Amino acid sequence: EAGVAQSPRYKIIEKRQSVAFWCNPISGHATLYWYQQILGQGPKLLIQFQNNGVVDDSQLPKDRFSAERLKGVDSTLKIQPAKLEDSAVYLCASSLDRSASGGAGELFFGEGSRLTVL
Amino acid sequence: AQSVSQHNHHVILSEAASLELGCNYSYGGTVNLFWYVQYPGQHLQLLLKYFSGDPLVKGIKGFEAEFIKSKFSFNLRKPSVQWSDTAEYFCAALPNTGFQKLVFGTGTRLLVSP
Repeated sequence: EAGVAQSPRYKIIEKRQSVAFWCNPISGHATLYWYQQILGQGPKLLIQFQNNGVVDDSQLPKDRFSAERLKGVDSTLKIQPAKLEDSAVYLCASSLDRSASGGAGELFFGEGSRLTVL
Repeated sequence: AQSVSQHNHHVILSEAASLELGCNYSYGGTVNLFWYVQYPGQHLQLLLKYFSGDPLVKGIKGFEAEFIKSKFSFNLRKPSVQWSDTAEYFCAALPNTGFQKLVFGTGTRLLVSP
């Protein structure tokens, strides 16, 4: 079974530039998550989709971050303009869980996209 | 607010030593608990999980964890570690009522020397 695919694996940009990350979840997984993992910290949820609807984006800095999930499958996360503190690994995960509450399903993670903002 | 604490940020052990990584969560209701592992250069993967029932759960590669409700803890254990267990370990909690987020601890970096 193919896992969660993410690209690019690495990205280096200067502050105030923009960047986009792409995620393809495991086929059939209704729920998709974007996490931000800053060095030395645990992953922090940015946004959660159930199919193509947003379930939770309370920790997404909406002045600069945006995300969409096209047709309930692939998703993109965009940062514009980037700040130094956005340097982190952006993790995409998906799960089979279909309940609006988020359920208790296992999350399957991609390898992450490492962003360095100079 | 819900939170997860991992007390040890870095642990160094020799092969065959026993391992116990601490995890405490703060939430008054029923929670589902997880341990994820991230091997060097690899993605996060599930090690084990607790939903209900027997508080001692067994995972892959000889790991186990014990849920102690009275202590709000879910410590990870392994009787004898191997060099290949070198990785970062994350505890995570998901409240079982209403809509809640899966919250991760800050992680424990384990180095096993051969």
